[in-house]
Amino acid sequence: NAGVTQTPKFQVLKTGQSMTLQCAQDMNHNSMYWYRQDPGMGLRLIYYSASEGTTDKGEVPNGYNVSRLNKREFSLRLESAAPSQTSVYFCASRGTGEASYEQYFGPGTRLTVT
Amino acid sequence: DAKTTQPPSMDCAEGRAANLPCNHSTISGNEYVYWYRQIHSQGPQYIIHGLKNNETNEMASLIITEDRKSSTLILPHATLRDTAVYYCIVTGGYQKVTFGIGTKLQVIP
Repeated sequence: NAGVTQTPKFQVLKTGQSMTLQCAQDMNHNSMYWYRQDPGMGLRLIYYSASEGTTDKGEVPNGYNVSRLNKREFSLRLESAAPSQTSVYFCASRGTGEASYEQYFGPGTRLTVT
Repeated sequence: DAKTTQPPSMDCAEGRAANLPCNHSTISGNEYVYWYRQIHSQGPQYIIHGLKNNETNEMASLIITEDRKSSTLILPHATLRDTAVYYCIVTGGYQKVTFGIGTKLQVIP
């Protein structure tokens, strides 16, 4: 199992450009998440998807859109990148069932917006 | 989710036990305590979790007080590779999970 994979690993954008961060998991998990982590900070939830076909806002959704393409894939789109979106982006997934609340994280995408 | 409080940083000598505390005084009866760690800039990694009993696995031990208002993660023989940020999370399966800034553990040779 590859677990949670993210592409790309690194990206540099200019202000106003758009891009989509891809995430896929092969653990048959229902829930998937997008977080951002700024230097010296904890993770902040951007969007999540509790199941295929549903998405909901997290703490910091402004400037982002998401798509839960199928059970495996959950993408994050920046329509018009801003320097404030420079961050490391982590995707995660989680199974269901009592006491199965552990999240599995991808390796991250390091995004710089100039 | 219940709020957690952790010290921002701790040092531990290599080979000694590292004891990382976490306060979660508002924890509800059906909420679990989870611990993750983040090494350098990698994605966080699950370590251990518990409800009210103490738990042990190959990575660590988790001690939860009887009133469940606090817990301690124990790394029995810390190595340099255990240098990381450790996050204590309380969750009852909610979709929105809050990761604070955690405790930065520095293992010293």
